Amino acid sequence: QVTLRESGPALVKPTHTLTLTCTFSGFSLSTTGMCVSWIRQPPGKALEWLALIDWDDDKYYSTSLKTRLTISMDTSKNQVVLIMTDMNPVDTATYYCARTDSSSWYFDYWGQGTLVTVSS
Amino acid sequence: QSALTQPASVSGSPGQSITISCTGTSSDVGNYNYVSWYQQHPGKAPKLMIYDVINRPSGVSNRFSGSKSGNTASLTISGLQAEDEADYYCSSYTSSNTIFGGGTKLTVL
Repeated sequence: QVTLRESGPALVKPTHTLTLTCTFSGFSLSTTGMCVSWIRQPPGKALEWLALIDWDDDKYYSTSLKTRLTISMDTSKNQVVLIMTDMNPVDTATYYCARTDSSSWYFDYWGQGTLVTVSS
Repeated sequence: QSALTQPASVSGSPGQSITISCTGTSSDVGNYNYVSWYQQHPGKAPKLMIYDVINRPSGVSNRFSGSKSGNTASLTISGLQAEDEADYYCSSYTSSNTIFGGGTKLTVL
């Protein structure tokens, strides 16, 4: 059974750095073909893909946010971490992690999401 | 990349069929058979309904089907049921990125 769970702060101050952790089970990022993505959704708005890391530790980022994002993995802990710098109120959103297909990048299992509010 | 274009809303009566379109460009939808569709109920995480344009994951009703023509992909839901009322998002792979549509709110009348 595949499960993913996001964790991190609910409130972040403007200009500060956000660190989110995705803890998963039911698959291993050491297995060829496995990937995990981060996706966010501002309140009442559409989904936005942020970053992907694959089993070979290759990393891919949203073109518009790549200067602010870092994705990494700890295969021993079954965790993927997303760091987003210079947070702004427009970054207020629910952040999801999702297992991702390595060929066509569809997201077959999602975490429940974690709401991050950026406010002073 | 710009978001894929979806109608803001569609509606239908129980038992009817509806289609949601998702228009991209020759760089994304038109260039790859890597379109996926997601259903999202309020307050819930998205759920994969269709992948690679036409494929249904195990457990998804066969009332859901996908297709593509040129730069436009479509999701069709037949035999509408009250539980189908939700937001629907399309997504397309494009050159080491993924873009989503703006979402479509489906109302079952």
